Amino acid sequence: SYEVSQPPSVSVSPGQTATITCSGEKLGEKYTSWYQQKPGQSPVLVIYQKNKRPSGIPERFSGSYSGNIVTLTISGTQATDEGAYYCQTWDTTVVFGGGTKLTVL
Amino acid sequence: QFHLQESGPGLVKPSETLSLSCAVSGGSISTTNWWSWLRQSPGKGLEWVGDIYHSGSTIYNPSLKSRVTISVDKSKNHFSLNLNSVTAADTAIYYCARVTWSGISYYFDFWGQGTLVTVSS
Repeated sequence: SYEVSQPPSVSVSPGQTATITCSGEKLGEKYTSWYQQKPGQSPVLVIYQKNKRPSGIPERFSGSYSGNIVTLTISGTQATDEGAYYCQTWDTTVVFGGGTKLTVL
Repeated sequence: QFHLQESGPGLVKPSETLSLSCAVSGGSISTTNWWSWLRQSPGKGLEWVGDIYHSGSTIYNPSLKSRVTISVDKSKNHFSLNLNSVTAADTAIYYCARVTWSGISYYFDFWGQGTLVTVSS
């Protein structure tokens, strides 16, 4: 079965750029989405179809892809961006990454 | 405003059936969207359980397929999850969500608040 992997944790200073990766075989060829989940809350879609932002998601969230890696980039990271981020794609079934905990130090 | 709300027992005994419902408001369940159940064990990541279309077509996670049934009631604008023969490993927050699926693009664009189900005697 298809699998994707994420780093367990990423740390960033306020105002800096956070980069969260998701890797899988030929993942860049698939449509991937990203979800933000803050403690005690439901996940929120922040990127879909590789690099599109839903209405209401700040422009500092962006998605990119190349080869086996898709990347979520948060520019000018704020303390409110702290939480877990999950990548998700489709390959005969739904596939989620294990999640990356973003800490804003 | 589109909204999803899960409901159901918070405690289920081992070997029994977990039953949850998801009420859809702010829009019809009979659209081009699919409707999904997902779960998240305490402190863990997200796991997809399965989807249903308003026609009744379903698709399930292969790892749960033998125990899962998802159904839809268009008259009540809600869909439901039954998971049988539960064990402690099924303890999780269960979410319902709306799916936008265009063949190759698949994503969850609206989520319910989630409901915690504990499996314990």
